Amino acid sequence: DIQMTQSPSTLSASVGDRVTITCRASQSISSWLAWYQQKPGKAPKLLIYKASSLESGVPSRFSGSGSGTEFTLTISSLQPDDFATYYCQQYNSYWRTFGQGTKVEIK
Amino acid sequence: QVQLVQSGAEVKKPGASVKVSCKASGYTFTSYGISWVRQAPGQGLEWMGWISAYNGNTNYAQKLQGRVTMTTDTSTSTAYMELRSLRSDDTAVYYCARDGNSPTQPRLIDYWGQGTLVTVSS
Repeated sequence: DIQMTQSPSTLSASVGDRVTITCRASQSISSWLAWYQQKPGKAPKLLIYKASSLESGVPSRFSGSGSGTEFTLTISSLQPDDFATYYCQQYNSYWRTFGQGTKVEIK
Repeated sequence: QVQLVQSGAEVKKPGASVKVSCKASGYTFTSYGISWVRQAPGQGLEWMGWISAYNGNTNYAQKLQGRVTMTTDTSTSTAYMELRSLRSDDTAVYYCARDGNSPTQPRLIDYWGQGTLVTVSS
């Protein structure tokens, strides 16, 4: 299976901060990477697909980049609604794998 | 709008089986697949497997092979996930999610159900 490693595991930030989360794949996945946001007690929500494509309805402060094995999710100006856990997921392989998650907390 | 509505919470004893349903609406069911993803309490997301709603083809996570079966009923646009020989570490919220259907192209999970809590306890 392709292993996905996110960093950091936890991130403390303030409203208005620029936030970057990194995701590394154990082998090349081209651009077949998605980012999801999950809030407590809720299902995940798709933010970014194909590494850098913004899902319809997702605010433009979210952006994704990368290809191969290194990817980033950036929130340009953190808003109160953005405090949540973020997961990357590769879909290059039929056997999908998720990163372990990054919790974005209020500083 | 796309909706996936799952069945309610379950409490099972170790060794028993559980079957969770996921009723889809707002799209053509047979044009997509369904993936199942679970999340143990306080833990991350674990992909369990995928089924094509078009032809019933499946891919299962290796660690669950032999214990999990995914099926669909196209007449009711409903997907099912059955997990057998339950253990305490199967306690989790189980999500269904709309997935791609292509046999050759990468498949993207986009919409998710609300989740079903399955508790395994003696």
